[in-house]
Parts: sequence; structure tokens; C-alpha cells
Amino acid sequence: EIMLTQSPGTLSLSPGERATLSCRASQSVSSSYLAWYQQKPGQAPRLLIYGASSRATGIPDRFSGSGSGTDFTLTISRLEPEDFAVYYCHQYVNSQWTFGQGTKVEIK
Amino acid sequence: QVQLQESGPGLVKPSETLSLTCTVSGGSVSSGSYYWSWIRQPPGKGLEWIGYIYYSGSTDYNPSLKSRVTISVDPSNNQFSLKLSSVTAADTAVYFCARYYSNSLYYFDYWGQGTLVTVSS
Repeated sequence: EIMLTQSPGTLSLSPGERATLSCRASQSVSSSYLAWYQQKPGQAPRLLIYGASSRATGIPDRFSGSGSGTDFTLTISRLEPEDFAVYYCHQYVNSQWTFGQGTKVEIK
Repeated sequence: QVQLQESGPGLVKPSETLSLTCTVSGGSVSSGSYYWSWIRQPPGKGLEWIGYIYYSGSTDYNPSLKSRVTISVDPSNNQFSLKLSSVTAADTAVYFCARYYSNSLYYFDYWGQGTLVTVSS
């Protein structure tokens, strides 16, 4: 089973700052299957990035994804107040889905 | 616009079977390229994939839950369902249904709002 480890667990930043979130897989995964989701309290997750680097429809360009193999990154170039949330990476390999444990981006 | 809506009891007794239904509108559970999935989230914790059903009826489940999970589809009502047997307090969670797009690119594109199921006597 492939594990996804996200770091840091919590990121304390101020609006306008840059956020860099990491997702590391226990073995190599195809970029096609790597996605990032944003979840706010009381809401379902929302797709941000698919295919490791493609923004979903309606997602602002301050969100970007990169990486390959075992190391993937979600970057938020300048945090807006609405970006403070929990972010999950997700992958699909061999008919099994796995989520990372999440990174909480909180207001400093 | 595709919409998914979970429904079912919010309270289940220990050792009983949890049953939830997801009703899909704006799309068809009989369409190819989609895996109709269940995901759960214990209070204050992360997301856990439970399993999926494909339009053909094929299924796959999280190995940690496989012995207790059944997912089925009802094309006539455009619904798919989850049954989780022998529940314990550890199964208390918000349960989401979601559509997974699978056609050269892969992602959960639509989610239900989630429904909280509490396991308690």
C-alpha cells in the first residue's frame, strides 16, 4: 500500500505570504493520479489540482502544483483570507486510493 | 451541474449495519469514465477512502474495511449505496459520496455535502 505523507502538519502564515505544502509518497506514483484538495470546516473537499500540476476549473492562478515520482508540492503564491483551510494530497494506484493526512494552513 | 446527496440514518447502534445512499443528479451512474465512491472523515481527522463501484458493477474496497463493506448501484434510481456491517464507535464519521473521474486524468470532481453518522447505543 502506498502511503502519502504531508508536511508540515500545520503551517502558520499571514495573508499575503507564500505557502509551500509537501506531499511525499512511499513509492513512485504517476503524476496523472496525483491531486490536491482544499477542505474548509463543515464542507466537502474541493478539487484544486489534478495531474500534479493542472488547476481545476475556477481555481485561482495563485495555486500551483508541481513534482513527480515521490515528491509533490502545492504552492499558494500569496495567501488570501479564504485560503486558510486544510489541504490534502491524494493518489490512485492499483485500484486503491490514498489520501495524505492533511496540512492545515492557519492564520498567524 | 452534477450534484450528489447522501441520505441515511444519522445514528447507528454498535454491531449493526450502517446503510447510506447517494443520489446523483445532473449525471448518470451508468456513465463510463466514473467511479462512484464513498469516503469518510472521523471528527477532527483526515479523509479515508472506503471503496468504489464502477458503472459495470465492479467494485473495490479499502483493504482495512473490505470484510465489512458492500457498495452497490441502482441505475434505475440513479443511486449508489454503502453498507458497513458490525460497526463500532470507530466508524463514527462524516460519510461523503463522490464521483471520481477516470479518463487519462484522475480526480474526485464532485462530492456530496457529507452526512454525519454516529455509532452509539
